[in-house]
Amino acid sequence: SQQGEEDPQALSIQEGENATMNCSYKTSINNLQWYRQNSGRGLVHLILIRSNEREKHSGRLRVTLDTSKKSSSLLITASRAADTASYFCAPNRDDKIIFGKGTRLHILP
Amino acid sequence: NAGVTQTPKFQVLKTGQSMTLQCAQDMNHNSMYWYRQDPGMGLRLIYYSASEGTTDKGEVPNGYNVSRLNKREFSLRLESAAPSQTSVYFCASRSDSHFYGYTFGSGTRLTVV
Repeated sequence: SQQGEEDPQALSIQEGENATMNCSYKTSINNLQWYRQNSGRGLVHLILIRSNEREKHSGRLRVTLDTSKKSSSLLITASRAADTASYFCAPNRDDKIIFGKGTRLHILP
Repeated sequence: NAGVTQTPKFQVLKTGQSMTLQCAQDMNHNSMYWYRQDPGMGLRLIYYSASEGTTDKGEVPNGYNVSRLNKREFSLRLESAAPSQTSVYFCASRSDSHFYGYTFGSGTRLTVV
């Protein structure tokens, strides 16, 4: 198991802008996942990118993966108030995910 | 609705009391997990179960025990609660397919006084 480190720790942007969050990790992986957590709720799986993929899209989400740099990014386009949440990356090698502290995203009206 | 169900949602314990947190999933997943989350922190893995009848320690197992009663249910027991165990506890399960992520329950907010 291994832990991802998200950057920045907190991010505030205007509604309609794009939000970019980054993730770094230290060892080889099978896949990398991104999760969202609304205040007081459980984590919700957003997207999974496999180690042999470089980019993946799902609606307004775009995830990139650079295994040579051991990094990933999550882009949320045209942000909405409902996107306000914490976002966690989860590099996964042995199916025992260790979560980092996440990025707290706040969308300003 | 398919998913992971945790009970109770809230609990207050006195130091030294015991309790069991219940978790059940109806998605036929083999793997199940217990995490705790403290304010401003990520989730820390307590225990996990890769299949019925097997359990393994995670990052922070001390003070906890688990039981994988059957494929659906994975319980977490605090034998003698301590204030340091005040936290929000999340249960999760995972499909065997590597193309899907974890499904989380809504959590149990535990306060030990």
